[in-house]
Order: sequence, then C-alpha cells, then structure tokens
Amino acid sequence: EAGVVQSPRYKIIEKKQPVAFWCNPISGHNTLYWYLQNLGQGPELLIRYENEEAVDDSQLPKDRFSAERLKGVDSTLKIQPAELGDSAVYLCASSSSGLKQFFGPGTRLTVL
Amino acid sequence: AQTVTQSQPEMSVQEAETVTLSCTYDTSENNYYLFWYKQPPSRQMILVIRQEAYKQQNATENRFSVNFQKAAKSFSLKISDSQLGDTAMYFCAFMKLNDYKLSFGAGTTVTVRA
Repeated sequence: EAGVVQSPRYKIIEKKQPVAFWCNPISGHNTLYWYLQNLGQGPELLIRYENEEAVDDSQLPKDRFSAERLKGVDSTLKIQPAELGDSAVYLCASSSSGLKQFFGPGTRLTVL
Repeated sequence: AQTVTQSQPEMSVQEAETVTLSCTYDTSENNYYLFWYKQPPSRQMILVIRQEAYKQQNATENRFSVNFQKAAKSFSLKISDSQLGDTAMYFCAFMKLNDYKLSFGAGTTVTVRA
C-alpha cells in the first residue's frame, strides 16, 4: 500500500513569492490534514478536510494561506506571498478513522 | 486548549538498554486519546503507540510501553532493549474524543549509542 505522497520534498523561494505544496493521501482515506512544523517543535494543525469539506481551518492564516481538496482526494496548500517566518516543514497526513493518522515525508520550505 | 509538555529535550541511551521519556498534559476532558509518535531524520512521523484514557491498562507494542497516570495527567514512554533504529525525535500527542485534532508536545530527541 502506498503511503502519503508529498511534493516537492524541498523548496527554496524568495520572500514575497508564491509557493504551493501538493499532497496525495492514502487511497480510501477520507480525512486529510495539513500540519506546520517549525524547527525543534511539534506539528501544529493548519487545516483538516473531511472529503472535500474543510471542517477545521481555525489555525490557517487566511490572509496568505489557502488550501483546496477538489474531488476529495489530493490537496494543495498555497502561500502567497511567502514571508521569512514561513520557513518550516509542511506535513500532510491522512486517516480513515481519525485515530491513526498516516503522515507523509513533508515539504521543507526555506524562504530567503 | 490542551497543552502537552515534554520536559526532556534530549535523551541518550546505550544500545540494548532502556530509556523512559516523560510527557504531561493539561485537559479538562475525561475521555481522550494519547499517542507517541516517532520522527526519524527522514521526517516521516510514525505512530508508535496509542492509549485510550478510559482504559486503565497500559498499552504495549513490542519493545514500547507506556505508563499512563490519568490523575497525574502523565503519559511516559518506555523503550526497552533500545536499538540503533530507535534514534529519532519522539512526540507525545493528545486528542479529544471525536475531535481528530492532534496536539503535540515539543518533542524529545533520542539518540541510541552503539
């Protein structure tokens, strides 16, 4: 069984540029999560989807971050414009039951 | 909001020995779940063990076991017979019942020495 796929693995951009991350969850998993992990810290939830509906986006900075999960399968997280403080690892996870979340390898973003 | 505290930033253990990681949490909920996740240098988070708060019996998974003290709001992880592959960052996490949102601690870096 394929795991959660994320791309790219690494991204370096200059501040004020846009950036997008892609996630393909495990087949059949209805729930998809995006987490932000700052260096030396635990992940923090940005947004949770149940199928194509965002059911918890309270932690998503909506002035510059957006996400979509069209057709309830893969998802894209976008930042526009990126700031220096956005440098972090962006993790995607999926689950079928909620109790066991399967994580992808993450995208490490560096904003210069 | 729930807070999860891991007071040990780093731990080092000799191969084949035992190491215990501490975790405390703060919640007003009575029913919830607690987790330990492992994050190796490859960055992929892997679930190590899960504990349901309504269960008194401590969860075990092979060499991994927990000591769950509900009244003290403590949830420690014991790694027995440590192996080199156990080297990773370990995160304690909390989830309210039916919430499906994980709240993580800051993590403990475990290094297993040969």
